[in-house]
Amino acid sequence: AQSVTQLGSHVSVSEGALVLLRCNYSSSVPPYLFWYVQYPNQGLQLLLKYTTGATLVKGINGFEAEFKKSETSFHLTKPSAHMSDAAEYFCAVSPLKGTYKYIFGTGTRLKVLA
Amino acid sequence: EPEVTQTPSHQVTQMGQEVILRCVPISNHLYFYWYRQILGQKVEFLVSFYNNEISEKSEIFDDQFSVERPDGSNFTLKIRSTKLEDSAMYFCASSPRTNTYEQYFGPGTRLTVT
Repeated sequence: AQSVTQLGSHVSVSEGALVLLRCNYSSSVPPYLFWYVQYPNQGLQLLLKYTTGATLVKGINGFEAEFKKSETSFHLTKPSAHMSDAAEYFCAVSPLKGTYKYIFGTGTRLKVLA
Repeated sequence: EPEVTQTPSHQVTQMGQEVILRCVPISNHLYFYWYRQILGQKVEFLVSFYNNEISEKSEIFDDQFSVERPDGSNFTLKIRSTKLEDSAMYFCASSPRTNTYEQYFGPGTRLTVT
């Protein structure tokens, strides 16, 4: 069965430091991959997605992620954290085979320290 | 920018009562979804809906659950007889078509069953 693993339920970084949020998936066929962000009391907002083509994808707010098929990973990065990046981040996959549902990871809560 | 809306933002109900959670998807979207997130757990797929019928449902979506698109704008999730374990955040999502696999999420309804 498809699964998504996000290592680290809580990550703290200093303002201006690199943000790295990890996501690994299990799938025999590379799925479509997504990162969503959830700010307090808000819905899930799409940060970026990988479907086909270039494996390094850029999203909103300076985030990017790289699809690595050999590592079955889709880690999210941002060179310099900002206080406004504090939120919960979810990695999700769409398995593709006859289904459009998303399978989500457990989420990573990012804290940015002043 | 168009967005998915959900009402109410918070619903408190007693065990055994029926609840209806409402969603207004983005107007030109064709595919509709419900997900739920129990506190501290991952976001889980419940059901997808297309062309006025369920296209896929999870094991969670048993006979206590039903969905409906009663008019051209609303998409509802009904829980017939709520249980304590139904307490969760319920997210509605919509998608314009299948080939983008991008789903737009609403802000969620927090359901508390007492």
